[in-house]
Amino acid sequence: GENVEQHPSTLSVQEGDSAVIKCTYSDSASNYFPWYKQELGKGPQLIIDIRSNVGEKKDQRIAVTLNKTAKHFSLHITETQPEDSAVYFCAARNTGNQFYFGTGTSLTVIP
Amino acid sequence: EAQVTQNPRYLITVTGKKLTVTCSQNMNHEYMSWYRQDPGLGLRQIYYSMNVEVTDKGDVPEGYKVSRKEKRNFPLILESPSPNQTSLYFCASSFPTSGSGEQFFGPGTRLTVL
Repeated sequence: GENVEQHPSTLSVQEGDSAVIKCTYSDSASNYFPWYKQELGKGPQLIIDIRSNVGEKKDQRIAVTLNKTAKHFSLHITETQPEDSAVYFCAARNTGNQFYFGTGTSLTVIP
Repeated sequence: EAQVTQNPRYLITVTGKKLTVTCSQNMNHEYMSWYRQDPGLGLRQIYYSMNVEVTDKGDVPEGYKVSRKEKRNFPLILESPSPNQTSLYFCASSFPTSGSGEQFFGPGTRLTVL
């Protein structure tokens, strides 16, 4: 089955700096790649997603890039703010509609 | 308010005592899914359902059962819980793949099996 690896597991940045989280996947047929933010005590919430026919997508301070050839995708957060502190998960959906998640990145934005 | 609800939110039980965690969504989503979240392992999909009466195994289905008799409900059943099923469980729902694909997650159920 699919294998999604996520790095780094923890990330600390100064407020205003950028944060980048990277994921790789193994199934070249995977076609949908969402990113979720999970705050303490809550369920994951979608922050951005990208489909396999698109290379980049941006939503204000958040962007996702996808390299299908290399089978990796990345989350970019610019001008980080303290409220961006949370755990972030990448995921990949295969053609069978199964989802596989990365192991998460704990992001801390230092004021 | 559009939401996914789970009950109970917290449950402590003993090995072998059958339990059901309920999940309900009010967004008319076809796709529903159960995940378990364990430290260092991220979220792992247990079962998913593309529509009523259609269920499929995810990555870690052993020890779990599900049913989808109605579109809005997708209960998770543990017929004989064991301590290794102690975990945080999330239900999620979304429109099918032709739609946005965004999964909406419930608030989670923390299960402890003694």
